[in-house]
Amino acid sequence: AQTVTQSQPEMSVQEAETVTLSCTYDTSESDYYLFWYKQPPSRQMILVIRQEAYKQQNATENRFSVNFQKAAKSFSLKISDSQLGDAAMYFCAYRSSYNTDKLIFGTGTRLQVFP
Amino acid sequence: DGGITQSPKYLFRKEGQNVTLSCEQNLNHDAMYWYRQDPGQGLRLIYYSQIVNDFQKGDIAEGYSVSREKKESFPLTVTSAQKNPTAFYLCASSTGFVGELFFGEGSRLTVL
Repeated sequence: AQTVTQSQPEMSVQEAETVTLSCTYDTSESDYYLFWYKQPPSRQMILVIRQEAYKQQNATENRFSVNFQKAAKSFSLKISDSQLGDAAMYFCAYRSSYNTDKLIFGTGTRLQVFP
Repeated sequence: DGGITQSPKYLFRKEGQNVTLSCEQNLNHDAMYWYRQDPGQGLRLIYYSQIVNDFQKGDIAEGYSVSREKKESFPLTVTSAQKNPTAFYLCASSTGFVGELFFGEGSRLTVL
């Protein structure tokens, strides 16, 4: 069975600085999708960025980018120029391309942003 | 605007009572999901449905039931058999294979 691990329960960053959130996963499959979701205090989950495993190029969305290391099964999220609105819980998630029924989530990282 | 609507946002229940959480989507998505969120445990899948009149158990289905009579609706019933029902419940939908889930704002259930 696939698992997703986020080893940092909490992280903090100064406004305008850069922070990296870690995620590792375990799978025997070669094709899958990886996601980072943000859950602000309002509690609604919002997709931040996604990565297809067959793509070697790391995904980027404005200030958010990932470092996808397929061999190491690592999928970290880098937030550049951090803003106060980035403060939230961040969840890493895995979805198989073969069994597309569900997303498997990590336990989350709470990010605090200080002015 | 298209989206997922969950109701109620907050719900209090006495022990031994069943309660139903509503989830409606107007995104024309085929697949719908219910997740439970507890502090420090991330999101765990309760039930999911890929098509009307069909649904499958997730990882923690015991004490819960669902129905999928319409494409837009996927209500979750928390029964008295659920031993620890106090939690935050999230409903989501997707087009199926694409991968991305769209979430509602969640329902907080507290058992008194």
